[in-house]
Amino acid sequence: DTGVSQDPRHKITKRGQNVTFRCDPISEHNRLYWYRQTLGQGPEFLTYFQNEAQLEKSRLLSDRFSAERPKGSFSTLEIQRTEQGDSAMYLCASSPVGSGSTDTQYFGPGTRLTVL
Amino acid sequence: AQSVTQLDSQVPVFEEAPVELRCNYSSSVSVYLFWYVQYPNQGLQLLLKYLSGSTLVKGINGFEAEFNKSQTSFHLRKPSVHISDTAEYFCAVTRSGQAGTALIFGKGTTLSVSS
Repeated sequence: DTGVSQDPRHKITKRGQNVTFRCDPISEHNRLYWYRQTLGQGPEFLTYFQNEAQLEKSRLLSDRFSAERPKGSFSTLEIQRTEQGDSAMYLCASSPVGSGSTDTQYFGPGTRLTVL
Repeated sequence: AQSVTQLDSQVPVFEEAPVELRCNYSSSVSVYLFWYVQYPNQGLQLLLKYLSGSTLVKGINGFEAEFNKSQTSFHLRKPSVHISDTAEYFCAVTRSGQAGTALIFGKGTTLSVSS
């Protein structure tokens, strides 16, 4: 069990550029979540996958944001035409299929995005 | 919908003193409750969780929390803190009985332990 990994850890970009982040969940975890955390706030939910299906999206996920999980393993989060307000830590979490509906989420180290 | 209120944004405490970080939640349905810790520039690490059963939950690093349904609270406690406990602590809630739901987090409490 190597934990959830995210790449890159840090990204600095100029306003208007596109960025893509990657998340590798814990092996055999079929649920994957993306959250955004701004300075001084708790994480806020963005979107959720079960296997390759994107089952839920937050209203925070504007049309400039797109997430994929094509083979039900790793996931990517792309932000197009970045804005300064997109500067945040982007966290990925995964959870296993367990008995019942227990759904403990395990978080990666995050990708810190700075938009200049 | 669920919501979480962490009543203290900052808690300064001396080493070896006891500490309590307060968390209240609001929900019209049954919930699961979690405490996570975040060290600087790192992701979140699960401290403990309440799913059902005993209302006193023990977690890692000597932390424990008590679920109080009547007061809708889930306060985190440690009898004696260390310098290394300095971090941001987040209380979170999710709807029980429904897998794959988002965690709703509070705004966090910064615990600062000094010698």
